[in-house]
Amino acid sequence: NFMLTQPHSVSESPGKTVTISCIGSSGSIASNYVQWYQQRPGSAPTTVIYEDNQRPSGVPDRFSGSIDSSSNSASLTISGLKTEDEADYYCQSYDSTNLVVFGGGTKLTVL
Amino acid sequence: VQLVESGGGVVQPGRSLRLSCEVSGFSFSNYAMHWVRQAPGKGLEWVALISYDGGNKYYADSVKGRFTISRDNSRNTLYLQMNSLRAEDTAIYYCARDFDGRVTTPDIEYWGQGTLVTVSS
Repeated sequence: NFMLTQPHSVSESPGKTVTISCIGSSGSIASNYVQWYQQRPGSAPTTVIYEDNQRPSGVPDRFSGSIDSSSNSASLTISGLKTEDEADYYCQSYDSTNLVVFGGGTKLTVL
Repeated sequence: VQLVESGGGVVQPGRSLRLSCEVSGFSFSNYAMHWVRQAPGKGLEWVALISYDGGNKYYADSVKGRFTISRDNSRNTLYLQMNSLRAEDTAIYYCARDFDGRVTTPDIEYWGQGTLVTVSS
């Protein structure tokens, strides 16, 4: 079964840049789109990146997504970190039969 | 865009429950829809996907054969029928709208606030 692996946690200081990785277990992660969702404590998720690197309206350009085929991974980069960015982040993709897969989530601490 | 889930509650193992998700602010019949759940303190788990017209449905292995996703486009409502419930089905269940009507590139644009299902004797 296709799986996505994320680091359990990352931390960085306000104003800095952080990158969260999402590694595909098999095949080519570049074959299917990757999405990223933000979930603040006690709230429902929201979408911050779709189709690898597209931002929904209202998401600041401090958020960016990319794909690295050589490492079969996707990345979410947040620049100019703010305390409000502290949240759990989930990557998501799908397999060849349209079954959706989420990564295990990464807790971002902005300290 | 609004997605409002209802129907959650406490249910005994082996029993059934039906969740509803009433939507507004967009043309419901144009979009594929998802159910995603989150067990207490755990990550997101995708449950099911239905195409814009209900003609295509997909399920996670953990719920296949027990859960059924459906929609009533005339009522702007998405459903999740959950049978043979188990303790491990305890979670917040989120209704979510896809970016478009296709099921070939499933990705979520909007999320509801969720409804809690607790399976316990």
